[in-house]
Amino acid sequence: AQKVTQAQTEISVVEKEDVTLDCVYETRDTTYYLFWYKQPPSGELVFLIRRNSFDEQNEISGRYSWNFQKSTSSFNFTITASQVVDSAVYFCALSRGGDNYGQNFVFGPGTRLSVLP
Amino acid sequence: AAGVIQSPRHLIKEKRETATLKCYPIPRHDTVYWYQQGPGQDPQFLISFYEKMQSDKGSIPDRFSAQQFSDYHSELNMSSLELGDSALYFCASSSRMTGYEQYFGPGTRLTVT
Repeated sequence: AQKVTQAQTEISVVEKEDVTLDCVYETRDTTYYLFWYKQPPSGELVFLIRRNSFDEQNEISGRYSWNFQKSTSSFNFTITASQVVDSAVYFCALSRGGDNYGQNFVFGPGTRLSVLP
Repeated sequence: AAGVIQSPRHLIKEKRETATLKCYPIPRHDTVYWYQQGPGQDPQFLISFYEKMQSDKGSIPDRFSAQQFSDYHSELNMSSLELGDSALYFCASSSRMTGYEQYFGPGTRLTVT
């Protein structure tokens, strides 16, 4: 069975602080994909990143960076110099790959990030 | 770029009524997914369709049904609505040609009173 755990339910930081959101996953598949989505108060799900199980390179996109470590089944997300607009619920998600295309995402419970001015 | 379209964006129904939610995937996307997100919850997968055939099934109640039509749009039909069905319903689409990324629509907020 697949499972995604986001141990941090809520995090509050002051603007310009760095913050890391943790994501730990479980899967028996050798081919899978990991995702991060942002859900601002308006409710839509905004895609942030996709990483496949064969690519362990870390990625940086502006103030966002992701650390994928298969050895610990973790896919952590760091926001550098946080801003008030980063306040949202962040979901980590896992999907099956290979011949299992079309199967569902499993979402983590989400981490609510509040960035205070 | 075109995105996933969902209609209506907001819907208010009474208990025991029926509701139909519509989803129009990104052009040339072949797979549609439906998710239900209750207040303060993470999205829960309901059902998906690939090339108009059901490809995966999650925690969809028997009162709900869905299908994908020849033009690839999908409809989620919900009958005998209950208060607990109040939620944000997301549709997502993807393409086998472009990988496993699911693009989400803006959601339909259903309120059952």
